[in-house]
Amino acid sequence: GAGVSQSPSNKVTEKGKDVELRCDPISGHTALYWYRQSLGQGLEFLIYFQGNSAPDKSGLPSDRFSAERTGGSVSTLTIQRTQQEDSAVYLCASWDRTSWYQETQYFGPGTRLLVL
Amino acid sequence: DAKTTQPPSMDCAEGRAANLPCNHSTISGNEYVYWYRQIHSQGPQYIIHGLKNNETNEMASLIITEDRKSSTLILPHATLRDTAVYYCIVRFYSGAGSYQLTFGKGTKLSVIP
Repeated sequence: GAGVSQSPSNKVTEKGKDVELRCDPISGHTALYWYRQSLGQGLEFLIYFQGNSAPDKSGLPSDRFSAERTGGSVSTLTIQRTQQEDSAVYLCASWDRTSWYQETQYFGPGTRLLVL
Repeated sequence: DAKTTQPPSMDCAEGRAANLPCNHSTISGNEYVYWYRQIHSQGPQYIIHGLKNNETNEMASLIITEDRKSSTLILPHATLRDTAVYYCIVRFYSGAGSYQLTFGKGTKLSVIP
């Protein structure tokens, strides 16, 4: 596709439910990031995937958060037993590491998650 | 990690140059300075990045001081569509091959008609 796409664009859920957020990166991009942005705040790094390497999970805030990337392309971020403080915009970004000086991260439009 | 400091907000008259400052006094020699912007309700958009030389592209110019402790993003002729939050970011290498971007709160630029 032309850019990074994410689905759903908006998600409202009840506290305690599990949610899955999907990211389709730019075709051919080997690296994929998840960030979240709380209202009025900057972006917070969550997790990073690069090819077949083990993901960098250092930004995940708790063990309720997990992510996977199947086939080196689509990624799913799962939040179990959602809490109200999980409400935020979840952003996915991809980039191609073949030219590290020219690397830029391309962001999707985000998924707005509201936990009631 | 090198941290960045930006003014929380700025105004600029339409058609004039917008000069957005950023301090990154603890930047290390191999860290790049990146600028992104985020228009309301959209994902961040890459603008420009540089190491130590000034850079220019179709969107903006990046001026980095000789000591690399600060930089300025210049939008030469600001339009109403440039109203956004502008993030100055120093690329942090986490050691696991992850060049994560650490975003602060940025500068909210308002372009005034």
